[in-house]
Amino acid sequence: EDQVTQSPEALRLQEGESSSLNCSYTVSGLRGLFWYRQDPGKGPEFLFTLYSAGEEKEKERLKATLTKKESFLHITAPKPEDSATYLCAVQDPIQGAQKLVFGQGTRLTINP
Amino acid sequence: ETGVTQSPTHLIKTRGQQVTLRCSSQSGHNTVSWYQQALGQGPQFIFQYYREEENGRGNFPPRFSGLQFPNYSSELNVNALELDDSALYLCASSLAPSGSFSNEQFFGPGTRLTVL
Repeated sequence: EDQVTQSPEALRLQEGESSSLNCSYTVSGLRGLFWYRQDPGKGPEFLFTLYSAGEEKEKERLKATLTKKESFLHITAPKPEDSATYLCAVQDPIQGAQKLVFGQGTRLTINP
Repeated sequence: ETGVTQSPTHLIKTRGQQVTLRCSSQSGHNTVSWYQQALGQGPQFIFQYYREEENGRGNFPPRFSGLQFPNYSSELNVNALELDDSALYLCASSLAPSGSFSNEQFFGPGTRLTVL
């Protein structure tokens, strides 16, 4: 069964202090790894899709990378508005549907 | 281009009751998925609809059912509510997969359901 594990569960950083979030996955035949940002009480907001090992994508202070077993979300010089829960998910092809299997998320807090 | 919308925002029901949650997909998206998210957890897949037919279901009992309409709207129905059904219910719209790869799913703001 496909599994996604994110670490750490929670991370507290000072403004400007760069770090990385980890997403480890086991899936038979990766069809896409997705990163989302979720603010409290709201729906996940799409950030990136990665399809193959070695692929990288960037958006403002965020950069996502992918290997055969894990993905990293690097955050460079974060600001307080980057505080959120970051979710990663892999696509599990079930009966032809696009089922996303999510990790439990990393709760990121950036202190000013 | 409008995003994904859901209604209502919040809902309080009692055990044993039935509930209908509504979703309006992003224009042009022919696939809608529903997820349940318990507090502090990642979303869990309930089922997916493509062209008004269910084409995949997660580990949820039959009392969770859905409908998809031609106008990009959809419904999630839950019968015989249980206390453990209290959660944030999310719908996500997307295009059907192209080849071997998945398309991005765009989520609505969710409906917070509380079962007392």
